[in-house]
Amino acid sequence: GQQVMQIPQYQHVQEGEDFTTYCNSSTTLSNIQWYKQRPGGHPVFLIQLVKSGEVKKQKRLTFQFGEAKKNSSLHITATQTTDVGTYFCAGRAGSYQLTFGKGTKLSVIP
Amino acid sequence: EAGVTQSPTHLIKTRGQQATLRCSPISGHTSVYWYQQALGLGLQFLLWYDEGEERNRGNFPPRFSGRQFPNYSSELNVNALELEDSALYLCASRLPGLIDEQFFGPGTRLTVL
Repeated sequence: GQQVMQIPQYQHVQEGEDFTTYCNSSTTLSNIQWYKQRPGGHPVFLIQLVKSGEVKKQKRLTFQFGEAKKNSSLHITATQTTDVGTYFCAGRAGSYQLTFGKGTKLSVIP
Repeated sequence: EAGVTQSPTHLIKTRGQQATLRCSPISGHTSVYWYQQALGLGLQFLLWYDEGEERNRGNFPPRFSGRQFPNYSSELNVNALELEDSALYLCASRLPGLIDEQFFGPGTRLTVL
């Protein structure tokens, strides 16, 4: 079945440093989504990427979808304490349900 | 607009018992998804319901079952509870369309003793 691998599992950064999490799928995706789960909270949708090579920005967050539509990344510039949480990628292949990666837990040291 | 709601917030059961978890999707959303989030394992897909029908299920034993009602709310039943069923159970709803966004509820924390 479809697998979505996400690395790293944990990342500790000093406030102001950059952060990147990577997502790789075993199959070509029709779209990939990113979610953020704050400690004690539930996942909240951040963005959806659909096109090969697509790049989208939300303030300090930059999302990329690979040319082959099998990988994606989320980059946060100059992290803040409000960025703390677990970031999940989720890929959809065709009409199948979303497959979530295991997430990257981000800690920001003030 | 009210979000996805789940009940109960917490549920404590003993091994062998049965648990019923409930989910109300956002008004107008016809698809409901159930996920299990155990510590360190991310979000594991359990079940997908749409328009009252089960559309797909994840790699879980048959003692995990559910249904969707005519008002699109949903119920997850877990029979013969085992210790490893202890987890946060998340429900999400979706409005089919170009944006595939799933809206998650706050979850039900199930503890099996």
